[in-house]
Amino acid sequence: SAVISQKPSRDICQRGTSLTIQCQVDSQVTMMFWYRQQPGQSLTLIATANQGSEATYESGFVIDKFPISRPNLTFSTLTVSNMSPEDSSIYLCSVTTGASTDTQYFGPGTRLTVL
Amino acid sequence: QKEVEQDPGPLSVPEGAIVSLNCTYSNSAFQYFMWYRQYSRKGPELLMYTYSSGNKEDGRFTAQVDKSSKYISLFIRDSQPSDSATYLCAMSDGSEKLVFGKGTKLTVNP
Repeated sequence: SAVISQKPSRDICQRGTSLTIQCQVDSQVTMMFWYRQQPGQSLTLIATANQGSEATYESGFVIDKFPISRPNLTFSTLTVSNMSPEDSSIYLCSVTTGASTDTQYFGPGTRLTVL
Repeated sequence: QKEVEQDPGPLSVPEGAIVSLNCTYSNSAFQYFMWYRQYSRKGPELLMYTYSSGNKEDGRFTAQVDKSSKYISLFIRDSQPSDSATYLCAMSDGSEKLVFGKGTKLTVNP
């Protein structure tokens, strides 16, 4: 497995602002993902962060709202742009280590509240 | 019909009870099945991973997959208060995309 950290662990933001969430892994990983976990809802995949190229977004998520960077094999950022209260959620990054593309390990999450 | 259905509970049991957690799914292409445990204010932790149908046991935990019924289960024997958490089922068709259930919140009372 991999040790994954996220910053910040939580934040309270004002409507219309943006927040960048960082995900750091202690070893090189093959794939990195960003998820959203809203109260009472399933974990939902936002996008796959691709190293050196644009992220691959799932239906309902767009780059302008959730720009993602992955400059190397151990680090990625997710920005939540022009936030509204509906963006209040837990945001999680996950990684696969290469042993199996379906074994994903999750970070501790970032709890975001938008006022 | 959602791809993955999971009863959110909450489920409350006494210490030592056998716990049964279940998910149903509609996509017959799913072949990989996982259970994650998520403690409050923590990220999901991979608990069990199963490929195709059958059983897998790890200590007090047993995962079962019945592909003919599109039904998966997680059994916890001799449940402990430390098992109190939300349990998420997840599945995949072999791509990197996981589809999750909503999670079942379990409380084990001492």
